[in-house]
Amino acid sequence: GAGVSQSPRYKVAKRGQDVALRCDPISGHVSLFWYQQALGQGPEFLTYFQNEAQLDKSGLPSDRFFAERPEGSVSTLKIQRTQQEDSAVYLCASSPGQVFSGANVLTFGAGSRLTVL
Amino acid sequence: AQSVTQPDIHITVSEGASLELRCNYSYGATPYLFWYVQSPGQGLQLLLKYFSGDTLVQGIKGFEAEFKRSQSSFNLRKPSVHWSDAAEYFCAVGAYGAAGNKLTFGGGTRVLVKP
Repeated sequence: GAGVSQSPRYKVAKRGQDVALRCDPISGHVSLFWYQQALGQGPEFLTYFQNEAQLDKSGLPSDRFFAERPEGSVSTLKIQRTQQEDSAVYLCASSPGQVFSGANVLTFGAGSRLTVL
Repeated sequence: AQSVTQPDIHITVSEGASLELRCNYSYGATPYLFWYVQSPGQGLQLLLKYFSGDTLVQGIKGFEAEFKRSQSSFNLRKPSVHWSDAAEYFCAVGAYGAAGNKLTFGGGTRVLVKP
C-alpha cells in the first residue's frame, strides 16, 4: 500500500481482556517497528522486526505483550490481560532497509488508540 | 544508550513570528537525527533528517535544523509560523546496532499558534 496501515484505529477494552493490534507496512519494507505513546509523551520503542525475525524486543514492558510478523509483512501486537496502564497509542512504522541512510527512514502509521477501562 | 531531551514542553508563538524548538541528544557515536511532527489523531510525519555533511538541513514545510556537535544539539527553526504549524514536534536520534535500527524520541514540544 501507499502508507502504513493500522487497525483498529480505536479499541476500548475492559481490564483483563486480550487485544490484538494489526499493522500493514508499506509493501516490500524489510524493517518494522512498534512504539507505545502514552498521553502527552514521546513514543517509546517496543520491538523491531527484520523481515520475520524479531531482532529486538527489549522495549516490551511485560510478558503480557507479544508481537509477531510470521511472513515478514503484516505484524500483530497482542496484549494479554490488559491493564489500565496499557492505555496508549500504539504506533507501527516500517522502513525499506536495515541500516539508517538518506533513503531508509521510518514511515509511521496513524496508530491504534487503546483505552482500557 | 542514546537519549533525547526536549526542554520545552509547550511553546506559544504568534502567527508570522519565528519559531525555534530545542533538542539535545546523548549518543556515543555520530548520530542520525530526525524531527517529526504529529498533528492530533495523526501519525508521525518526518520533517527533516541529518545523517552527515552540511550541518544545516532543510526540510518540508519551510523548516530547517542545525546540527551542532559541540553542543549535542539539533534545534529546529522556522522563520515565519503559520496557523497550520500548531502540532506536537518530536526530536529523535537513530542508532544502528547488532539488533538493527532503533529510534529514540524526546518527550515532545507542543506548539500553539496565536492569531
